[in-house]
Amino acid sequence: AQSVAQPEDQVNVAEGNPLTVKCTYSVSGNPYLFWYVQYPNRGLQFLLKYITGDNLVKGSYGFEAEFNKSQTSFHLKKPSALVSDSALYFCAVRDMGNTGNQFYFGTGTSLTVIP
Amino acid sequence: NAGVTQTPKFRILKIGQSMTLQCTQDMNHNYMYWYRQDPGMGLKLIYYSVGAGITDKGEVPNGYNVSRSTTEDFPLRLELAAPSQTSVYFCASRGVETQYFGPGTRLLVL
Repeated sequence: AQSVAQPEDQVNVAEGNPLTVKCTYSVSGNPYLFWYVQYPNRGLQFLLKYITGDNLVKGSYGFEAEFNKSQTSFHLKKPSALVSDSALYFCAVRDMGNTGNQFYFGTGTSLTVIP
Repeated sequence: NAGVTQTPKFRILKIGQSMTLQCTQDMNHNYMYWYRQDPGMGLKLIYYSVGAGITDKGEVPNGYNVSRSTTEDFPLRLELAAPSQTSVYFCASRGVETQYFGPGTRLLVL
């Protein structure tokens, strides 16, 4: 079965500092990995994805993620955090082996950027 | 291009009542999904559809039903509402590689 884990419920970082939001995955076959962001009272918004190719993936709003196959990780990163980055972040894996190509989401990490 | 729209935004139900959550997408996507989001639990898949007339159960289908008569619409039906169905419900459709989410419906069952 496919799954992702986000070990941190909450991450706090000072504005201007680099940020990392962690995600590890468990899949059978090649992983299709995603990061989404959710602002209060809104639906999830796509940030970036890894399908194949370079291990460093660049996405929206200056975010990037590093795919590490040996550590089965897909951590989200940003070199310099903004207060507006404060939100809930979800890692997800897409199951390519079933009919619906279902997505499995982590439990989310709440990021707070402190001014 | 509105993307994925959901109605209502918020609803209070009494135990035992029924309601339908509406979801519409204008991107001509075949795949559509219903999730519920509970605090600290992430998103759980309720039902999904791979095209008009085809639906299937996800992880947590009990107490819900769906239909897919058109590509655009994917309503979720709650029969005999229970307090355990208090949650935020998100509809999504899938494009070539990723999902697009609606703004959500917040449901409170009292």
